[in-house]
Parts: sequence; C-alpha cells; structure tokens
Amino acid sequence: EAEVAQSPRYKITEKSQAVAFWCDPISGHATLYWYRQILGQGPELLVQFQDESVVDDSQLPKDRFSAERLKGVDSTLKIQPAELGDSAMYLCASSEDRAYGYTFGSGTRLTVV
Amino acid sequence: AQSVTQLDSQVPVFEEAPVELRCNYSSSVSVYLFWYVQYPNQGLQLLLKYLSGSTLVKGINGFEAEFNKSQTSFHLRKPSVHISDTAEYFCAVRGDSSYKLIFGSGTRLLVRP
Repeated sequence: EAEVAQSPRYKITEKSQAVAFWCDPISGHATLYWYRQILGQGPELLVQFQDESVVDDSQLPKDRFSAERLKGVDSTLKIQPAELGDSAMYLCASSEDRAYGYTFGSGTRLTVV
Repeated sequence: AQSVTQLDSQVPVFEEAPVELRCNYSSSVSVYLFWYVQYPNQGLQLLLKYLSGSTLVKGINGFEAEFNKSQTSFHLRKPSVHISDTAEYFCAVRGDSSYKLIFGSGTRLLVRP
C-alpha cells in the first residue's frame, strides 16, 4: 500500500535554531497538506499545496515558518527560529481526490528545548 | 466557519463492551465527514467516511458511523471493542467547496481488560 513518507520521525532542537521537515506524498497526489498537532489537540492545517502552488496558508506563521513544493512532488516545511511553543507533531498528508480523504504520513515529533 | 465538536475527551470501556464516540458538526452546506484513528506517535489512519447516500457507513476494524443531518451528528460505534482499539479518535469535516479538513479535539478510547 502506498504511503506518505516523512522525515525525520523525531527532532530535538534548541530554541532559536532552524529546523526542517521533509515530506514525499503518494505518487500522483496533486494535493499536499502540512498539519500541526499540539499534544492533546486535533491537527490544524498550516499550509495546503495544489501541485506547486500554495492554496491556503492562512494559518501559517509566516514570520518564522516557510513551506515549499518546488516541483509539485515532495515538500519541505521550515521553522526559523524555532520557539518553545513550536513543540508539536508535524503531519504531512496527500490526496488524489478530496472525496477520498487524506492519507497521512507518520509525522515528525518536534521538541524545542 | 465550520467546526467539529467531540463531546467526550476520554471514554473508558471494558473489553468486548459496545462503545459510541460522539461527534457533532456545524455547517450550512453539504459536508463530507470522516473518522480517523491515531495510535501513539503515529499519523492518522482513515476509519471511514460519509460522502453521500446511505447514512450508515461501515469502516475498517468493525467500526461504523451514522450520519444524522437533522442533529448534525456523526457518531462512531463499535459493538464489541478490543484492547487494540485503545487509541485517539478524531472526527473531521470537509466543506463541499473546500479541500480543507477541520478536526475535532479528539476522544481517547481506553479499553480495559
């Protein structure tokens, strides 16, 4: 079964440092999403791509977060500088058709110390 | 704006007992509804979805959900739970004109022997 690949699985970083996460969606999935899940809460959308274009980044803290999907395939989410409040699970998902729901990756657990 | 309310943060239940996890949504347009399960330090896995048609939806692992438009509910049920069902369960809604999934805060199902 096809999977969404994410790396790293775990990341510990000091505050004010830069950190990056990588996601490779299922082949052929044009839509890619980055969600943030704070412990004990549901996931919240950070950014949505359709191919290489950003469709929705209204909840992305643009002063420190950036996301790109240059060739419309894999994607990178960056935080610079990281803050203590950024500690969370960062989930990537992709979909072929909105009717089928998303397929999520295993996520990256970020701890900022 | 659309929203999802999961009324119970935690549901303890004994093994082989039935369980219902409650979900209510707010929307003024037709919706697509989803239930996802999340095991510790993992991504989210799709359990089932309602797109249209029959209001009783069957999913994986013996779960089912019933869409009730008049009560704006989409409760998840299982007639007999197993220890392995212990996990976090998330209800989500997607608007008819949007690709974005909006998640509830989650319900932790704790199955005891």
